[in-house]
Amino acid sequence: KQEVTQIPAALSVPEGENLVLNCSFTDSAIYNLQWFRQDPGKGLTSLLLIQSSQREQTSGRLNASLDKSSGRSTLYIAASQPGDSATYLCAVAPRDSNYQLIWGAGTKLIIKP
Amino acid sequence: DAGVTQSPTHLIKTRGQQVTLRCSPKSGHDTVSWYQQALGQGPQFIFQYYEEEERQRGNFPDRFSGHQFPNYSSELNVNALLLGDSALYLCASSLGLAGRLYEQYFGPGTRLTVT
Repeated sequence: KQEVTQIPAALSVPEGENLVLNCSFTDSAIYNLQWFRQDPGKGLTSLLLIQSSQREQTSGRLNASLDKSSGRSTLYIAASQPGDSATYLCAVAPRDSNYQLIWGAGTKLIIKP
Repeated sequence: DAGVTQSPTHLIKTRGQQVTLRCSPKSGHDTVSWYQQALGQGPQFIFQYYEEEERQRGNFPDRFSGHQFPNYSSELNVNALLLGDSALYLCASSLGLAGRLYEQYFGPGTRLTVT
């Protein structure tokens, strides 16, 4: 059974710092992995999607990497801003149950001005 | 493109009542998935609809049922509401080609409170 873990559960850093959020999964048989952002009480915004054949994806100040063999993904945020404060969730689409996403519980990120 | 829309935004119900939540997918998408997100947790998959049929179901009781209409919009019905059903209910749309899960786009969610 696929399980997704995100560490840390919460993170508070000063504005301007570069930071890394971690996501680990137990089964490497996945179709893709997505990183999402969720603002308080709101829905989910997709940030980056990495197909299983890819190693990384970039969008602006965000870079996500995928290492299937070790069951890890990282989301790198460069030059953090207060507007980056949100909960970041990762989700995998497993090959054996490929109609659903399996989610981590998220990392709550606070960027202090 | 309006993206994925959900209604209502918020809902308060009493234990034992029934509720219907609605979702319209992103233009061009034919697959709708429903998720339940309890406070402080990641979303949990409820079920997915494709071609007006339930294609896969997560670990949710039969009190949770759904429907997909010919225009691809979908409803989630929950009967005999329990306090534990209080959550944010998220709808996601995608393309269901070749049985694979492509990128999902999420709506803003419906916040259900059961008292």
